[in-house]
Amino acid sequence: DQQVKQNSPSLSVQEGRISILNCDYTNSMFDYFLWYKKYPAEGPTFLISISSIKDKNEDGRFTVFLNKSAKHLSLHIVPSQPGDSAVYFCAASAMGNTPLVFGKGTRLSVIA
Amino acid sequence: DGGITQSPKYLFRKEGQNVTLSCEQNLNHDAMYWYRQDPGQGLRLIYYSQIVNDFQKGDIAEGYSVSREKKESFPLTVTSAQKNPTAFYLCASSISLWRANVLTFGAGSRLTVL
Repeated sequence: DQQVKQNSPSLSVQEGRISILNCDYTNSMFDYFLWYKKYPAEGPTFLISISSIKDKNEDGRFTVFLNKSAKHLSLHIVPSQPGDSAVYFCAASAMGNTPLVFGKGTRLSVIA
Repeated sequence: DGGITQSPKYLFRKEGQNVTLSCEQNLNHDAMYWYRQDPGQGLRLIYYSQIVNDFQKGDIAEGYSVSREKKESFPLTVTSAQKNPTAFYLCASSISLWRANVLTFGAGSRLTVL
């Protein structure tokens, strides 16, 4: 029973173009969403988050969009850079003291 | 610098042996977590702890055990009962278990069963 789904295991984008990573969730109790970035043999690092009271949050080249009715969020990276090549995990949390639930990740490759 | 230290980075184990992975944090965080990463499986929660001397099972706790005797430390023991222990193990912490608190991860420990 996968509550957070990242249906694209991998994505390849040319340098300078936009990268769009998608995430769907099934639990309507989720109200806070985060994206983490992970390089090989390292721990994930926090990238950006969004609360369910918003539909967009922007931080530099990174923007997260939330569509609550569709239970869908996306991470946009513009412009994409080779250093963005990593695995990106979507995570969600429900109200209260419950741990984050992670998706399976999407491997982004930015080609120079 | 504050952070999470996991050791060892690489560990080899023979079948039937227990092994303990260390996780220490100096961030003064109350909550700590253990995740397991397998190819194509994402991050799966093994155990988590909100406070000293308290911990809860995550989604895949079978074959694992933890302790939380000190705020700074949350060691994970992979027992011989764990059927497929070869994986990359990640320890994390957060200020509390509250949803908006960002997790800080360690660099991970890769366990290989020979």
